[in-house]
Amino acid sequence: QVQLQESGPGLAKTSETLSLTCTVSGAYISSYYWTWIRQPPGKGLEWIGYVYSSGTTNYNPSLRSRVTISLETSSNQFSLKLNSVTAADSAVYYCARLNSGSFYGGYYFYMDVWGKGTTVTVSS
Amino acid sequence: EIVLTQSPGILSLSPGERATLSCRASQSITSSYLAWYQQKPGQAPRLLMYGASSRATGIPDRFRGSGSGTDFTLSISRLEPEDFAVYYCQLYGTSPLFTFGPGTKVLIK
Repeated sequence: QVQLQESGPGLAKTSETLSLTCTVSGAYISSYYWTWIRQPPGKGLEWIGYVYSSGTTNYNPSLRSRVTISLETSSNQFSLKLNSVTAADSAVYYCARLNSGSFYGGYYFYMDVWGKGTTVTVSS
Repeated sequence: EIVLTQSPGILSLSPGERATLSCRASQSITSSYLAWYQQKPGQAPRLLMYGASSRATGIPDRFRGSGSGTDFTLSISRLEPEDFAVYYCQLYGTSPLFTFGPGTKVLIK
């Protein structure tokens, strides 16, 4: 059974870097795409970006200038770094696995396994 | 950018009733790119449907996804107590690569 667990500081200071790690069990991290999503208090879901074992990344344009997602294959983990944070970055951060499907015209991805989420509050 | 709109924002129903949730895209999309998630308070979202109409592992058959073009529907044939939650539709393949709708909250009447 695939499980994901987010970890990292629950508090980040304004203008500093938020760093989170997602530990994957039950699946080889090199075999899938992995992604981060966040949810501000009382609001909807926002996709942050993904990483693949080749090192390929894709980020939400709204966050691209501030975000880095990377793999740590030896420890079966992937991480999120978001710099220059403000109060607007306070949210529950989820990591998830991207699975894929195909159809005659191509392929698509969806988030099939999620971590439980970790709350990060940004404050001065 | 394609925008997803979900309606209604809140749906108040009794257990045993049928729920019909709508997800509308601002322009026509490939139906395979549409997924649905369920989120209960304090929990992570859970994948319900992918490819618009394929149920994820372990999802009961009272959940059904359908639609094409700009209009997609998640139907729950008979609401069980555990189905009262927020439901999000999600689109893959545009910019940003993944976009979520604002959600529909299904409340117990």
